[in-house]
Parts: sequence; C-alpha cells; structure tokens
Amino acid sequence: DQQVKQNSPSLSVQEGRISILNCDYTNSMFDYFLWYKKYPAEGPTFLISISSIKDKNEDGRFTVFLNKSAKHLSLHIVPSQPGDSAVYFCAASYSSNTGKLIFGQGTTLQVKP
Amino acid sequence: KAGVTQTPRYLIKTRGQQVTLSCSPISGHRSVSWYQQTPGQGLQFLFEYFSETQRNKGNFPGRFSGRQFSNSRSEMNVSTLELGDSALYLCASSFLGVATEAFFGQGTRLTVV
Repeated sequence: DQQVKQNSPSLSVQEGRISILNCDYTNSMFDYFLWYKKYPAEGPTFLISISSIKDKNEDGRFTVFLNKSAKHLSLHIVPSQPGDSAVYFCAASYSSNTGKLIFGQGTTLQVKP
Repeated sequence: KAGVTQTPRYLIKTRGQQVTLSCSPISGHRSVSWYQQTPGQGLQFLFEYFSETQRNKGNFPGRFSGRQFSNSRSEMNVSTLELGDSALYLCASSFLGVATEAFFGQGTRLTVV
C-alpha cells in the first residue's frame, strides 16, 4: 500500500528553467510533508517542509505547494541549476514530532547545462 | 560537528546468515530511525528509537530488530537473511524525533548472496 506516490521516475529540464516535482498521497491523517534530495552514495538531505495547515512554503529557490483537497504536493525549483541534479523524495509524517517518515519512490531530476 | 556515522559501509553476507548494522547519531541526538532503500520499494521505514525505547515500528517481519544504547548509538539486526534483504540501510538522527531536523547517514550497502 503506497501511501505516498511520486508517479514520475525522472524529469529533465534545462538550466535556468523551472523544475516541478510532484507527489500524491492517500492518507488524510498526514500532518507534515517534507522534501529530501539525495546524491548517489550519500544519505538524503532535508530540503524543505510544509505543515498541513499551510498551502505554500518558500525557501530561496525552493517552494513547496500543498493542495489538501487533491492530496497533492509539488516542489518548484526556480531557477534550476546543474547541481540540482539528484533524486528527490517526498515524505509525509503524522506529526512534526516523529522520526517516522513515509517516503515516495523518488524522482530523478537531471538539469542540463 | 560530526555527522551520522554508519558502519560498515558495505557488507556481503550469505543467505541464512545474520547481520548487525551500527548507527552513531550526532552528539546530543536522542532519536534514531532506520530505513531500507531498495530500487523497487523506495525508502521504507523500519523503526524509530528514542531514549532507548522503540517508539515506532514499520511493517517488516520479526527478522528485523533493533536496539538503542544509553549513548544513543543504535544497532539493527537482520536474522536469517534472504536475497530480498539486499538493500541500502539508512539511519537518521534528530534531537527530539522532529523529522525536519533529522540528518541521515551515508548508509550501509548490504548484499545477500
């Protein structure tokens, strides 16, 4: 039972353009959503998060949007840079005070120079 | 400040054997969570330990177990290894189990032959 889904295994964009990574979830009890970035041979690195009471959170080039009615969130990266090329995971938790995260399967982003 | 340290980095075991993986969290962190990453299933939550107590558990068979010591270091054990246990095992640590403050180690790559 995949509660968090990233339906696009890969995405390729040109440097300077916008990258949009999508994530869908099924459990309405999720209270917190997070995005992680992972390079090969490294552990995931936290990027940005959003509480379920918000619909947008921004941090520099990264913005996460949450649509609770559609059970959908997205990560926008503007402008995209070659160093952004990595695997991006979205994750959900039932609260902010838990180490238990439910991850999607990841989307590989390639940013071409 | 030292990061999360996982040992060993690579491991090859034979089917039927058992294995113990170690995770040393960031100094002062009391929560350690374990995840299994496979190409087909993505990142799946195994369990979380907080102050030596298991606080959350994922949907894995009883062959997977863990513990946490008084210095917050954690170990996970897999008994009677199966070929399907081949995966990257990641641990993440945080001070209070707050997901947005969790740092991941580089992982242990386990290969079962």
